[in-house]
Amino acid sequence: GQQLNQSPQSMFIQEGEDVSMNCTSSSIFNTWLWYKQDPGEGPVLLIALYKAGELTSNGRLTAQFGITRKDSFLNISASIPSDVGIYFCAGSSTDSWGKLQFGAGTQVVVTP
Amino acid sequence: EPEVTQTPSHQVTQMGQEVILRCVPISNHLYFYWYRQILGQKVEFLVSFYNNEISEKSEIFDDQFSVERPDGSNFTLKIRSTKLEDSAMYFCASRGTAAWSQYFGPGTRLLVL
Repeated sequence: GQQLNQSPQSMFIQEGEDVSMNCTSSSIFNTWLWYKQDPGEGPVLLIALYKAGELTSNGRLTAQFGITRKDSFLNISASIPSDVGIYFCAGSSTDSWGKLQFGAGTQVVVTP
Repeated sequence: EPEVTQTPSHQVTQMGQEVILRCVPISNHLYFYWYRQILGQKVEFLVSFYNNEISEKSEIFDDQFSVERPDGSNFTLKIRSTKLEDSAMYFCASRGTAAWSQYFGPGTRLLVL
């Protein structure tokens, strides 16, 4: 089956630092989505990517859809304490009805 | 801003009992999904629903599971005879026709004893 790997598993950073995480898939996706999840809550959509090579920003967040359509990265610039949480990538392929396959998540801890 | 809502937020049930989890998707969305997340693990797809029928389902979604859109606003997931391993957070999601972005509800935490 399709494999989706997300790294790193966790990051401990100081406030103000930049954060970068990425996901790679064993097969092609036509959509990459990035979500943030706080404990006990549902995933909140941060950025959506629909085209290979697309680079999209949302405030301090920037994400890119890889040219091969098998990878994506998310950057957070100048981290602040409220960036703490688990970040998930999710992808869907053209042969589905939008079924999302999720990465295992990157836990981000920001220290003052 | 429109959002997906889910009820109840928590449910505790005995093994073998039936549970119904409820969702109200975003009002103009036409595609609906259920996912689950076992504690500490990744979110897993269960089922997608469009035009009043299941469009895709995972191996997890066996005969014990069913979904229904009983009216114009609600979308439900029924587990007929719960098992211990059904304990998880269950998330409903919806999307419109113009984009593939899915919006998730806050989840129902199900605990099967």
